[in-house]
Amino acid sequence: EPEVTQTPSHQVTQMGQEVILRCVPISNHLYFYWYRQILGQKVEFLVSFYNNEISEKSEIFDDQFSVERPDGSNFTLKIRSTKLEDSAMYFCASKGDPPSNQPQHFGDGTRLSIL
Amino acid sequence: QQQVKQSPQSLIVQKGGISIINCAYENTAFDYFPWYQQFPGKGPALLIAIRPDVSEKKEGRFTISFNKSAKQFSLHIMDSQPGDSATYFCAASRPTGKLIFGQGTTLQVKP
Repeated sequence: EPEVTQTPSHQVTQMGQEVILRCVPISNHLYFYWYRQILGQKVEFLVSFYNNEISEKSEIFDDQFSVERPDGSNFTLKIRSTKLEDSAMYFCASKGDPPSNQPQHFGDGTRLSIL
Repeated sequence: QQQVKQSPQSLIVQKGGISIINCAYENTAFDYFPWYQQFPGKGPALLIAIRPDVSEKKEGRFTISFNKSAKQFSLHIMDSQPGDSATYFCAASRPTGKLIFGQGTTLQVKP
């Protein structure tokens, strides 16, 4: 069964540094998402992406965050200047078309640790 | 308006018993209600989902019951097994939209 793959599985970064989290969505999917999960808490929506642009973003997704689909396969989340509170699991998800009939499929996440 | 409230926070069930997790939502624009199962170190995996035009959906040992007027839905796990021990999240969304997750329920099934 096709999978969403995320790299790296664990990223340790100094506060203030830039970090890029990478995702390879399922190949024929058109809708892409990033979520985060702080340890022990619920999964929170960050941003959705469709047709090469952001379709929706949450209050968490401020100017320090950006997303990009640089080629036909990768979908990245960049945090420009990391803060301690950015420490969390970051999940990428993708969804096929038509969207009303398709579930979101999640990767296994990247654990981001900010020191 | 955007919240999904889930209970209980944790649940312990004997092997062979029924596990029941409840969720409530506020936004009547939601039209898709999935349940996700998450094991430690893994991403959420879709378990079962329902749309509001259906009151119940069953897949194997897993059943969603949906009450549109009360804006509530629940997951029933019949004949619970130790392998079902995981965290379960309910969620709600519109077709192209973000998933709004509940707080999660940690289920432990004792052998």
